[in-house]
Amino acid sequence: ETGVTQTPRHLVMGMTNKKSLKCEQHLGHNAMYWYKQSAKKPLELMFVYNFKEQTENNSVPSRFSPECPNSSHLFLHLHTLQPEDSALYLCASSQSGGRTDTRYFGPGTRLTVL
Amino acid sequence: KQEVTQIPAALSVPEGENLVLNCSFTDSAIYNLQWFRQDPGKGLTSLLLIQSSQREQTSGRLNASLDKSSGRSTLYIAASQPGDSATYLCAVPTSGTYKYIFGTGTRLKVLA
Repeated sequence: ETGVTQTPRHLVMGMTNKKSLKCEQHLGHNAMYWYKQSAKKPLELMFVYNFKEQTENNSVPSRFSPECPNSSHLFLHLHTLQPEDSALYLCASSQSGGRTDTRYFGPGTRLTVL
Repeated sequence: KQEVTQIPAALSVPEGENLVLNCSFTDSAIYNLQWFRQDPGKGLTSLLLIQSSQREQTSGRLNASLDKSSGRSTLYIAASQPGDSATYLCAVPTSGTYKYIFGTGTRLKVLA
């Protein structure tokens, strides 16, 4: 596997379910990100991890819980979501999280909350 | 507060045309600007990153320019092909370290 991978690619869940999204980067980067992309809205940054430490939580509701066990893996744990949380969730990585770093994105997980 | 706007929102052109996509930003104090491509239902692919000290960057048939003073960037695509059909997004970092502000994108369709 190369680049940034995400699983699952598609997920349908009920509001009472608990599920997790997984992201893995094979680029040797130190920073990882979760973004949310809703229809007709700009990409929204959710969380940033730099060297496994969370450096930004962009006012995300607590029903989204990130976890970064090491620099290569990032999870997004989901529980008691709402239908408006349905979106494409994109993971990205960069060398160090700096302003000049190119972000490399995964293919995304298309989430539908019923 | 930085805002990024992309015009047009959608564009359809016949194959072979040269075209220009526009990106505007309100705060000219940027470190760089990045152009991405997104295929339907997929993640983003980085196309070009222009540092604030540069005026343009080229990659194959793509050329991106940056005019910080006017708060504008353009992405020029030469001799468009159906495979260029995608949504093109521009993004600029905020004054903070990690946060990129994205435009809503231009959805391009190149007709064979």
